[in-house]
Amino acid sequence: DTEVTQTPKHLVMGMTNKKSLKCEQHMGHRAMYWYKQKAKKPPELMFVYSYEKLSINESVPSRFSPECPNSSLLNLHLHALQPEDSALYLCASSQGQGAYNEQFFGPGTRLTVL
Amino acid sequence: GENVEQHPSTLSVQEGDSAVIKCTYSDSASNYFPWYKQELGKRPQLIIDIRSNVGEKKDQRIAVTLNKTAKHFSLHITETQPEDSAVYFCAGNFGNEKLTFGTGTRLTIIP
Repeated sequence: DTEVTQTPKHLVMGMTNKKSLKCEQHMGHRAMYWYKQKAKKPPELMFVYSYEKLSINESVPSRFSPECPNSSLLNLHLHALQPEDSALYLCASSQGQGAYNEQFFGPGTRLTVL
Repeated sequence: GENVEQHPSTLSVQEGDSAVIKCTYSDSASNYFPWYKQELGKRPQLIIDIRSNVGEKKDQRIAVTLNKTAKHFSLHITETQPEDSAVYFCAGNFGNEKLTFGTGTRLTIIP
């Protein structure tokens, strides 16, 4: 399996809801990433996990809570989001941590916050 | 600081002609520069990358050149085809941990 998968593909939630985004890879990659991408903008790094430990948090608001249950899975828990959080959320993985490793992106979850 | 500038923001090219996209970076310590292609509604995919110990790298119709002194690098696509239409992002590493992406170029190939 050479793909990163993400569920759900689309998510609509209210500002008081709690939801989770899921990401999975079976390539044996040890680094996993969450990015946020607004329309017509580049991906913006949110979090990096390396060997299941959080290694980078790009000063993301606490209403976004990442979790890495094991080396294949990455979750992003969402709570009390704002309409401006509506975006495409991309997960990526790479063989090792470090910018030199090719990052493989998932198809993304398109999130709409009402 | 962590800054990658990319130009142009949009580019239209006649099919069969060449396309060139340029990026400049600010951190002289950056030494890895990948290019990602994102088709409409799809995920970003790496198409080519270059490290700072190399001045040019080519893969079929795609090439990347790097000028470390001037701190800029460019993507060259020759003999463009309709399937080359997409948004292209350059990126640079800042430290060992992460990539910073350029603002993107929307390339349209005119049949």
